[in-house]
Amino acid sequence: NAGVTQTPKFQVLKTGQSMTLQCAQDMNHEYMSWYRQDPGMGLRLIHYSVGAGITDQGEVPNGYNVSRSTTEDFPLRLLSAAPSQTSVYFCASSYGGGAGYEQYFGPGTRLTVT
Amino acid sequence: GQQVMQIPQYQHVQEGEDFTTYCNSSTTLSNIQWYKQRPGGHPVFLIQLVKSGEVKKQKRLTFQFGEAKKNSSLHITATQTTDVGTYFCATSGTYKYIFGTGTRLKVLA
Repeated sequence: NAGVTQTPKFQVLKTGQSMTLQCAQDMNHEYMSWYRQDPGMGLRLIHYSVGAGITDQGEVPNGYNVSRSTTEDFPLRLLSAAPSQTSVYFCASSYGGGAGYEQYFGPGTRLTVT
Repeated sequence: GQQVMQIPQYQHVQEGEDFTTYCNSSTTLSNIQWYKQRPGGHPVFLIQLVKSGEVKKQKRLTFQFGEAKKNSSLHITATQTTDVGTYFCATSGTYKYIFGTGTRLKVLA
């Protein structure tokens, strides 16, 4: 099993550009989520999905869109990149959301917006 | 909304010394999870606690969940250089996970 994979590993964008961060998992997990990690702020939940066709907002959803057309894939779209979105982005999956399930994280995407 | 505060933010220890990080909440937690993130890496699940007063051990790591289920601690006995990294606590509600800000541990050889 590859686990959770993310592409790209690094990305530099100009302000106003859009892009999609890819995330895939091969563990047949129903729950997938996106976090951003900024220095001193831990991991903050952007969006999550409890299954194909179902998504919901997390703590910091503004400026990001998600969709979940398959169990395996959960892409994160930046609509119009801003310098405040410079961060490390992690995708995670688990068998279920909520209590009782460990999350498996991907290797992360380091995004810089200039 | 629910928050978990983690202290200290940083800790430098000499190799062989003990280390403890604390996770505190103003509300009762249904569970607490602990993750470790090596420098440049991604968070990796260590353990989950769900019962009041629960204590679990993994080799040199001891995890505790407070009696009131409002705090938790991770204690490392006799740190080694391989313990370097950031330790996060996290809690989950129905579908959302909330992470603490993390404690970055440096171990000086």
